[in-house]
Amino acid sequence: SAVISQKPSRDICQRGTSLTIQCQVDSQVTMMFWYRQQPGQSLTLIATANQGSEATYESGFVIDKFPISRPNLTFSTLTVSNMSPEDSSIYLCSGETGITGELFFGEGSRLTVL
Amino acid sequence: AQKITQTQPGMFVQEKEAVTLDCTYDTSDPSYGLFWYKQPSSGEMIFLIYQGSYDQQNATEGRYSLNFQKARKSANLVISASQLGDSAMYFCAMREGVHNQGGKLIFGQGTELSVKP
Repeated sequence: SAVISQKPSRDICQRGTSLTIQCQVDSQVTMMFWYRQQPGQSLTLIATANQGSEATYESGFVIDKFPISRPNLTFSTLTVSNMSPEDSSIYLCSGETGITGELFFGEGSRLTVL
Repeated sequence: AQKITQTQPGMFVQEKEAVTLDCTYDTSDPSYGLFWYKQPSSGEMIFLIYQGSYDQQNATEGRYSLNFQKARKSANLVISASQLGDSAMYFCAMREGVHNQGGKLIFGQGTELSVKP
């Protein structure tokens, strides 16, 4: 299966700032997704990262807050804008692969907003 | 709208015994896929097993098997011969439609499994 690298793995951020998370896959994937996992919670889909076009956002998530880029089939970024303590979460990048289309995940980016 | 439900927030099992983690789903799409993932304390998401809605047999992967009861819309994970390393969060997930067609994976609330020595 493919390998996803995410950077940063963790960060401590100040309220009101923005942070960009990078996701690099070692092979081309058709579908890439960004998930959020709040402390003690399950994974919630933020958006589907579409190659060369605007991301498709889930209900409750907007582009102004979580701008996403995907310039090619192996790379995507997620920006968490104007952060507040409520944005403290693990953000996970994932790609779809395999015969069954299972998702494989990066190790996540753990953000703490003070 | 699709929905995944895991009703067991936490489970305990004795080492070497089998354990069943429950998962029920709700969808009106005849084509869907069901997945189980393991998330140890390190945070990584590990894919365990997959069941397609049209698969005739229950999926198995080593010590993992999926008890798929389509009429009941349940997809329980069975772990045989539990090991201490099985202690983790387990998530059930579902995708509607055929893979590679843009279908998104929706996750259940998770079950925390603790294996006792």
